[in-house]
Amino acid sequence: EVQLVESGGGLVKPGGSLRLSCAASGFTFSSYSMNWVRQAPGKGLEWVSSISSSSSYIYYADSVKGRFTISRDNAKNSLYLQMNSLRAEDTAVYYCARAYSSSWFPFDPWGQGTLVTVSS
Amino acid sequence: QSALTQPPSASGSPGQSVTISCTGTSSDVGGYNYVSWYQQHPGKAPKLMIYEVSKRPSGVPDRFSGSKSGNTASLTVSGLQAEDEADYYCSSYAGSNNFDVVFGGGTKLTVL
Repeated sequence: EVQLVESGGGLVKPGGSLRLSCAASGFTFSSYSMNWVRQAPGKGLEWVSSISSSSSYIYYADSVKGRFTISRDNAKNSLYLQMNSLRAEDTAVYYCARAYSSSWFPFDPWGQGTLVTVSS
Repeated sequence: QSALTQPPSASGSPGQSVTISCTGTSSDVGGYNYVSWYQQHPGKAPKLMIYEVSKRPSGVPDRFSGSKSGNTASLTVSGLQAEDEADYYCSSYAGSNNFDVVFGGGTKLTVL
């Protein structure tokens, strides 16, 4: 069974940092591009970042560019999101999502999400 | 404000059909056949229902169908069932200048 499990969320002060992790299992992790998508409380989905299977290609939404860094460790079947200079508007549930197939999208499956709250 | 425009709500009685629209521009929905639809029940992760405009992943009932005309994509749910009540989000590749993925604001589907 394909499974994605996020961790690392929590409460952080504005300007602070947090590192999210996503543990993958049930598929050949190194063969798929991976993504982070977030959802602010009561709001819609927002794409955050994508990384290719070998980390050769990395993309960010303008809203997080320069502050967030996506990375992966294929040996550990893990995806990461380093979040720096956090702002109140970064408060959201962060989902890890795999590419559905060998292409970049769509995204499926998704993890259960981890909540990041940025507040003083 | 979301890049793609969806109606905030839609509804239908069991057995009826309902269509949800998703309007973008020639830089996203109209420019690529990379439109997908996701279903999200409260407190749950999104689930892929339609990809590449009209394709259904394995396990998704054929009651769900997708289409596109110009800059507007549509999701149709036929033979509505109680379990279809959820939020639905459209998404499209929007990488005319650089890699970008955009979502709609979501539509709350209520089964009356």
